Order: sequence, then structure tokens, then C-alpha cells
Amino acid sequence: SYEVTQPPSVSVSPGQTATITCSGDKLEDKNVGWYQLKPGQSPVLVLYQDNKRPSGIPERFSGSNSGNTATLTISGTQAMDEADYYCQAWGFNNVVFGGGTKLTVL
Amino acid sequence: QITLKESGPTLVKNTQTLTLTCTFSGFSLTTSGEGVGWIRQPPGRALEWLALIYWNDDKRYSPSLKTRFTITKDTSKKQVVLAMTNMDPVDTATYYCAHTNWGSAAFDIWGQGTMVTVSS
Repeated sequence: SYEVTQPPSVSVSPGQTATITCSGDKLEDKNVGWYQLKPGQSPVLVLYQDNKRPSGIPERFSGSNSGNTATLTISGTQAMDEADYYCQAWGFNNVVFGGGTKLTVL
Repeated sequence: QITLKESGPTLVKNTQTLTLTCTFSGFSLTTSGEGVGWIRQPPGRALEWLALIYWNDDKRYSPSLKTRFTITKDTSKKQVVLAMTNMDPVDTATYYCAHTNWGSAAFDIWGQGTMVTVSS
């Protein structure tokens, strides 16, 4: 079955750029979404179709998808961005989530 | 404004069938393109997609779980139901329903989630 892999953790200083990767076989052929999950809250979609931002998501969130890797980039990271981030690969008959990446802003 | 809310038992026993209901507002499953999915998160673990149903009754299931799951919709009640047979303690998780739209390839609005514990 199809799988996507994320690093368990990423650390970033406030104001710097955070990069979270998502890897899977020929991932560029799938639509990738990214979700932010904070403790006690429901997931929030921050990017869809690789690089589109839903209404209300700050411009500092951006994305790309090429080859076997999709990337979520957070520019000018803020303390409020500290959360778990999950990538999602959407195929015709299957939706797969990555294992999640804990983003620490310190 | 789209909202979704999950409901169902908080505790089930090993081997029982779990039935969860997602009641939604702000859209209709009679409208072309609309869909609802189910996703779960076991404690301390990752999100896992379970099933998806579209306005045209097109249904998709996780390949690893499809033999146990059935997803249905009641458009008049604005509900989507997920039935899971043969529950096991490893199925203990927070279960979410979420809105999607054909072509968006994402779940844009999520319910608050409901925690289900399976006892052995």
C-alpha cells in the first residue's frame, strides 16, 4: 500500500523559515495537502493541491511538490505555528496521511 | 458556514460493531461535488483515513480496513454514517468526520471529533 514519510520533528527559531518534508513514491503525481494539529483541537487544512492556501491561512504558509517529495514551508515562523503537521497524499482510490511532524518553535 | 459534528458511543466492547454518525450543516450531499470523509487518530499516533462518500454515492475505503467499514449517507437528515465491525482495542481513537469537495483533494472543514474506547 502507498505510504508517505515525514520527519518526526523539526525545530526552528522564531522569525526563521521552517521546512517540513513529505516523501513518497512519485508523490508529484498525487495531490498533497497539509494539516496543522494543535493539542485538544481538530486538524486545520493549511495547504491543498500542493500549494493552495484556504481562506484565512496566512501567506507565510507555502508548499511545493516535485518528484518524490512535497514540502511545507513556513516563512517568518511564529510561536503560534508550533503544532503537529501532517501531509496527506490524495490518489484516485486512496487517501494517505504521513506520520506527522512536530514543529517546535524555540 | 459549514459545520460537522460526530456522535456515537464513547465505549464499545471487543468484537462489537461501532456506528458513528456525522451530522452536518452548510452544504448538501445532493449538490454535485460535495463529499464527507472519516479520519481517526489513535492516542499519540498519526491521522488515518478511513472512508469517503460523495454526493453521487461514490464510496471509497482505506484498502487495509475496507472489509470492516461501511459508509452511507442520509441526505434528508444531512448525516453520514460509518459502521465498523469487529472492533478491537487498537481501534481506540478520536474519530473525525470532515467535508471535502470533488477535485479539492483535501478535507477543508473538520468536526470536533469523538473519542471512542474499545475495551477488551
